[in-house]
Amino acid sequence: EIVLTQSPATLSLSPGERATLSCRASQSVSSYLAWYQQKPGQAPRLLIFDASNRAIGIPARFSGSGSGTDFTLTISSLEPEDFAVYYCQQRSNWPLTFGGGTKVEIK
Amino acid sequence: QLQLQESGPGLVKPSETLSLICTVSGGYMSHSSYSWGWIRQPPGEGLEWIGSIYYNESTYYNPSLKSRVTISVDTSKNQFSLNLRSVTAADTAVYYCARPIYGMDVWGQGTTVTVSS
Repeated sequence: EIVLTQSPATLSLSPGERATLSCRASQSVSSYLAWYQQKPGQAPRLLIFDASNRAIGIPARFSGSGSGTDFTLTISSLEPEDFAVYYCQQRSNWPLTFGGGTKVEIK
Repeated sequence: QLQLQESGPGLVKPSETLSLICTVSGGYMSHSSYSWGWIRQPPGEGLEWIGSIYYNESTYYNPSLKSRVTISVDTSKNQFSLNLRSVTAADTAVYYCARPIYGMDVWGQGTTVTVSS
């Protein structure tokens, strides 16, 4: 099973700041990595698929990069609605696995 | 616009079987590149993939649950289902259905299932 480790666990930032979230895989997942945003009481929302492709309707301030074992989700300038929990997920190997999440909170 | 909706009991007794249905609307299930999946989230915790099923009924399950899980599809009803046997309190969670293609791009709203006597 591929283990995804997200860091940091919590990121405290102010609106307008840049957020950089990390996801590290225990073995290569090539570019088969997705990022999700989840707000309280809601289902996750797909932001990025295959490491760097924005899903339909996702603002350009969200970007993904990386390949192999190291991936980054960047939010260029935080909007109030971006404070949430973010998960990475790999589809390179069965079983599909998720990272433990990074909470982006208001500083 | 494709939409998914979970349905099923909100309370299940220990040792019994948790059964949920996901109804797909606004699109067809039988596209050859589509798969359909179940994910759960225990209270205050992260996401756990349970399993996926393809249009040809090939199934893939999380090894941690494989001995207790069955996912099936009924394309004539535009539904797929989850059965989780011999449940315990550790199976208490919000259960989501989703469409995993390149990423899980469509999700149901989730249904809370509590395992308790």
